[in-house]
Amino acid sequence: EAGVTQFPSHSVIEKGQTVTLRCDPISGHDNLYWYRRVMGKEIKFLLHFVKESKQDESGMPNNRFLAERTGGTYSTLKVQPAELEDSGVYFCASSQPGRGSPLHFGNGTRLTVT
Amino acid sequence: GESVGLHLPTLSVQEGDNSIINCAYSNSASDYFIWYKQESGKGPQFIIDIRSNMDKRQGQRVTVLLNKTVKHLSLQIAATQPGDSAVYFCAEKGISSASKIIFGSGTRLSIRP
Repeated sequence: EAGVTQFPSHSVIEKGQTVTLRCDPISGHDNLYWYRRVMGKEIKFLLHFVKESKQDESGMPNNRFLAERTGGTYSTLKVQPAELEDSGVYFCASSQPGRGSPLHFGNGTRLTVT
Repeated sequence: GESVGLHLPTLSVQEGDNSIINCAYSNSASDYFIWYKQESGKGPQFIIDIRSNMDKRQGQRVTVLLNKTVKHLSLQIAATQPGDSAVYFCAEKGISSASKIIFGSGTRLSIRP
């Protein structure tokens, strides 16, 4: 089966610009998560979708971040306007329903804000 | 609050030796624990998991041990190989299916030839 795919793999933008990251989960996975790793530190949770609904968005840092998952398939994460501290690697993961289902991660999008 | 931490940020092991990576967690309600391996330029890759009703689980060359009394988790890699070089993350999840997975800061494992 195809894994979780993320696009783009890298993005370099200037402070104040807008960037949209895309994630295509594994087909049939209702759960979709966004995480990010900033400056080589721990992987921080951003939010969790169950199908098209936001189950938990407690990790979203501020209102400059907007995540959507229209139709319950792919998801986008928009950062507008981007700030320097938004630089990092953004990971998307998906899993099947059930509390014991491991997350399958994409290779991430490396975002650099200059 | 919830936190998952690691005792050591880096670990250097001789090729062929066994590696032990440790992790402490603070949430007593954690029900499910996972180890992930992250290689450069890739996303975290699932290695092995364990539920809170178990204290040991074995996979291929890997063993996870869970000590709920002291809230400690470890990953043992047997006969460490160069391909094992990566950053290893422990992660925990609560009992609810809606619970998010919380990651620790990672341990970088390097292999000496």
